Amino acid sequence: NAGVMQNPRHLVRRRGQEARLRCSPMKGHSHVYWYRQLPEEGLKFMVYLQKENIIDESGMPKERFSAEFPKEGPSILRIQQVVRGDSAAYFCASSPNPSGTSPSYYNEQFFGPGTRLTVL
Amino acid sequence: AQTVTQSQPEMSVQEAETVTLSCTYDTSESDYYLFWYKQPPSRQMILVIRQEAYKQQNATENRFSVNFQKAAKSFSLKISDSQLGDAAMYFCAYRSVNAGGTSYGKLTFGQGTILTVHP
Repeated sequence: NAGVMQNPRHLVRRRGQEARLRCSPMKGHSHVYWYRQLPEEGLKFMVYLQKENIIDESGMPKERFSAEFPKEGPSILRIQQVVRGDSAAYFCASSPNPSGTSPSYYNEQFFGPGTRLTVL
Repeated sequence: AQTVTQSQPEMSVQEAETVTLSCTYDTSESDYYLFWYKQPPSRQMILVIRQEAYKQQNATENRFSVNFQKAAKSFSLKISDSQLGDAAMYFCAYRSVNAGGTSYGKLTFGQGTILTVHP
């Protein structure tokens, strides 16, 4: 069973360009989470999605950032008109079901290897 | 909103010795999960250990164990017989259990503790 896949692993963009980060969850997982890790900091939650639904986007910046998880295909985190402050590692995680009534396995989030975004 | 605090930016330990990493959290919820994740230089996030708040027994995974003090909202990680491969950044994380809670689903992370293991 392949793990969570993210691509690209490294992405370089110039200021003002768009960045698209992709995340393919583990097989059988229908919940996806995006986190951002700035240099020397912990991971910060950005958005939580189910297939075709945004469940919680409380961590997403109000402008330039958007996320989707279509019925078919990977989840996409899109950053428009990137600025230097967007340089960070972006991690995706997936889970089958975060319900507290499920066995412990179902509460674990499995992380991808991350995408390191550098904005020049 | 829930917060997680790791007050030790860096810790070091001699190989084969024991080290304890501290974590405190703030929540008004009675049921939740706590996690310790390891992030080696590869940056891959690896789950080390998990604790359900309703369980009084401290979780243990081989050389890793926790000291969970619910009343004090403390969740420390003890690494016994430290190995060179344990060197990494360690993150404490909180997750709500209850659907509809403000932190349902998402993980709230602490700032991390860099662990160095000396041979």
